[in-house]
Amino acid sequence: AQRVTQPEKLLSVFKGAPVELKCNYSYSGSPELFWYVQYSRQRLQLLLRHISRESIKGFTADLNKGETSFHLKKPFAQEEDSAMYYCALSGQGDDKIIFGKGTRLHILP
Amino acid sequence: EPEVTQTPSHQVTQMGQEVILRCVPISNHLYFYWYRQILGQKVEFLVSFYNNEISEKSEIFDDQFSVERPDGSNFTLKIRSTKLEDSAMYFCASSETGQGNYEQYFGPGTRLTVT
Repeated sequence: AQRVTQPEKLLSVFKGAPVELKCNYSYSGSPELFWYVQYSRQRLQLLLRHISRESIKGFTADLNKGETSFHLKKPFAQEEDSAMYYCALSGQGDDKIIFGKGTRLHILP
Repeated sequence: EPEVTQTPSHQVTQMGQEVILRCVPISNHLYFYWYRQILGQKVEFLVSFYNNEISEKSEIFDDQFSVERPDGSNFTLKIRSTKLEDSAMYFCASSETGQGNYEQYFGPGTRLTVT
């Protein structure tokens, strides 16, 4: 079964501290993995995807096929990082994106 | 920067009524999608649409649902006879291509409340 698991509903981190949002997935082939972000009162938007291997707003995510994980990391949290973060996957040949339940990241001053 | 737009932002309807949710995808995009998010739950895929036909749909997308691209700009989701459990946030999305290396751009959503 295709599934994305984000174990934390809420993560509170002090400004300047490192951030790690966990994501594990279940998929039998080679999926494409994404992180989407939704800032307060804004639309869902793509933050990054594993295939592009970019760093966006200081965030990175490494696909670990052995652990079936795609954790999102940032070395130093900023207040503007407070948002809802969704890990997601798309299977080979699929149109649909499968989302995790999301983690609310709250950056404390 | 072009954006996906959705109307209305909030729709309240009575159980059993038909509703049509409207979306205007980004103009050069060819693939269109509907997702929904019931309060407190995950965003779920409903349907994808390409070349004037459904290309993929989920188990949620039963006979009560239909999609249409009535003209060159709008993409609609119709729920024929709404149920209480259809209350959710409905998101439209579009992408230049489907399957593989693409980005889906999401609209702001329509909150549907069925009473």
